[in-house]
Amino acid sequence: KNQVEQSPQSLIILEGKNCTLQCNYTVSPFSNLRWYKQDTGRGPVSLTIMTFSENTKSNGRYTATLDADTKQSSLHITASQLSDSASYICVVVRGPGGATNKLIFGTGTLLAVQP
Amino acid sequence: EAGVAQSPRYKIIEKRQSVAFWCNPISGHATLYWYQQILGQGPKLLIQFQNNGVVDDSQLPKDRFSAERLKGVDSTLKIQPAKLEDSAVYLCASSLDRRITGDGYTFGSGTRLTVV
Repeated sequence: KNQVEQSPQSLIILEGKNCTLQCNYTVSPFSNLRWYKQDTGRGPVSLTIMTFSENTKSNGRYTATLDADTKQSSLHITASQLSDSASYICVVVRGPGGATNKLIFGTGTLLAVQP
Repeated sequence: EAGVAQSPRYKIIEKRQSVAFWCNPISGHATLYWYQQILGQGPKLLIQFQNNGVVDDSQLPKDRFSAERLKGVDSTLKIQPAKLEDSAVYLCASSLDRRITGDGYTFGSGTRLTVV
């Protein structure tokens, strides 16, 4: 079954600290993996997009990793800020890339950064 | 470029009433998606359009939900009659095409619906 599981479900950290969010998937065939940030009441905003051959990709203080062999991804946030408080959603795009592909969503990790 | 526009941002209705949401995708995006996101869950695809044709509506509750994209540009999602369990954020997204391989896949800010 095509699934995306995220952990932890929620996380509280102090401002300035680092944290790592996990994503495990069983989606096949795999096209690409995306991490989104979703502020409360807003639509998801893309942070990174990773293809099968990419191991690491950074976007400012956000660094995503992908291990296609174990079907695991992580999102590392460095020097957290209050504005990082949001839900982080892992999404795997299922499909060969040449036809209609489908997004498989995780349920998200709710991050709260406290002063 | 302008993003995906949605309106209204918020809507509160009583059960059994009707409601409609509007979405204007990014210019040139052929594919348009409507999602339902219940609090604490990931978005669930309701319907996908390619230009003005339906590609996937397998998870659309067709007894009460309908959607159209008549001219292949903007789209409307309707619920009639609404139930309490329809309370959710309704997200619209658009992409250049159906392959979703690049960064041309964009979500709107959503419409938060509360059914009382």
